[in-house]
Amino acid sequence: DIQMTQSPSSLSASVGDSVTITCRASQGINNFLAWFQQKPGKAPKSLIYAASSLQSGVPSKFSGSGSGTDFSLTISSLQPEDFATYYCQQYNSYPYTFGQGTKLEIK
Amino acid sequence: EVQLVESGGGLVKPGGSLRLSCAASGFTFSSYFMNWVRQAPGKGLEWVSSISSSSSLMYYADSVKGRFTISRDNAKNSLYLQMNGLRAEDTAVYYCARASKSSDYWGPGTLVTVSS
Repeated sequence: DIQMTQSPSSLSASVGDSVTITCRASQGINNFLAWFQQKPGKAPKSLIYAASSLQSGVPSKFSGSGSGTDFSLTISSLQPEDFATYYCQQYNSYPYTFGQGTKLEIK
Repeated sequence: EVQLVESGGGLVKPGGSLRLSCAASGFTFSSYFMNWVRQAPGKGLEWVSSISSSSSLMYYADSVKGRFTISRDNAKNSLYLQMNGLRAEDTAVYYCARASKSSDYWGPGTLVTVSS
């Protein structure tokens, strides 16, 4: 199985800051990497697919990059609604696997 | 508008069974793979199972293989998850998701609690 390691597990930032979350796969995943945002009590929301493609309706303040085994999600100009938990997921091969999540909190 | 709505969750005793349903609307259901993903209380996301558009291919996490069965009825625009031999560690919110561009649309989830 492909292991997905996300870092950091938690992150404190202020409104207006930019932050970057990283995700490392235990083997190459051909850029089949997605990022999700989840708020408490809600279903995950898809942000990014294919490592860097924005899902429809997602603001351009979210951007994804990387290739091979190392990927990142950058969120610019943080707003109160951006404070949530973020997950990466590889969908290159079954079983699909998620990172453990990064909780983004307001400083 | 794409909509997915899960149902069928509830409280069940260890060893018991439950069948989850996911009603889909707003897209051509028969054209898409579909996923089940779960989230135990206070924990991260775990992929559970996937099924191809024609039901010819099914995939399962090792943690549920042999106990859970994914299926679909394209005429009814519905996805199912038959869960047998339930264990305490199966307690989670279960989400169905459309498998396009990873998982682009998700339902709100249904809670399954396995407890005596």
